[in-house]
Amino acid sequence: DGGITQSPKYLFRKEGQNVTLSCEQNLNHDAMYWYRQDPGQGLRLIYYSQIVNDFQKGDIAEGYSVSREKKESFPLTVTSAQKNPTAFYLCASSRASGSRTQYFGPGTRLTVL
Amino acid sequence: AQSVTQPDIHITVSEGASLELRCNYSYGATPYLFWYVQSPGQGLQLLLKYFSGDTLVQGIKGFEAEFKRSQSSFNLRKPSVHWSDAAEYFCAVESGGGADGLTFGKGTHLIIQP
Repeated sequence: DGGITQSPKYLFRKEGQNVTLSCEQNLNHDAMYWYRQDPGQGLRLIYYSQIVNDFQKGDIAEGYSVSREKKESFPLTVTSAQKNPTAFYLCASSRASGSRTQYFGPGTRLTVL
Repeated sequence: AQSVTQPDIHITVSEGASLELRCNYSYGATPYLFWYVQSPGQGLQLLLKYFSGDTLVQGIKGFEAEFKRSQSSFNLRKPSVHWSDAAEYFCAVESGGGADGLTFGKGTHLIIQP
């Protein structure tokens, strides 16, 4: 089945540690996105990529980094510079043109201890 | 910058009653508009979308939404809700200029009373 997978579902991190969240899609989509969700805040865009080896900052990129070495993969690293990293992280993908409907993965809940 | 407002944080509806969730957007041109639904701890599922054409859009699970340019609104409706509709609902807008991400409202939490 085509879809988006995120792993792990739950992740715990100690303060000061970097952590990488995985996002893989087999929908043959060119564009991929990372969003952060906090209670009562909706979703906010962290980074997005419209093509391999290229990505752009979203609204809240500080303290995060990404790479896009393969079309199918768009990992997100939460660095120690992110002041409040505890949140629910959602990955999405879409076509880069035409119908750009975004499809979402199941999410990763990150908790900083 | 574009923005989306969902004025109702919580809505409680009796099972079998009709539902309308409000969404207002701020954007200069005609945006691409979406409604997503999220169950607790899960990802988002697309209910419906509007790109152009007929302003009344049909979606999955019996939902529909109407785009009203004059009111900058894209309200979600369902004639008769089921207990399984209890969830968080998000309205979102895309600028239409490229695959550069969605702007989301803060969501409406729907509670279904038996």
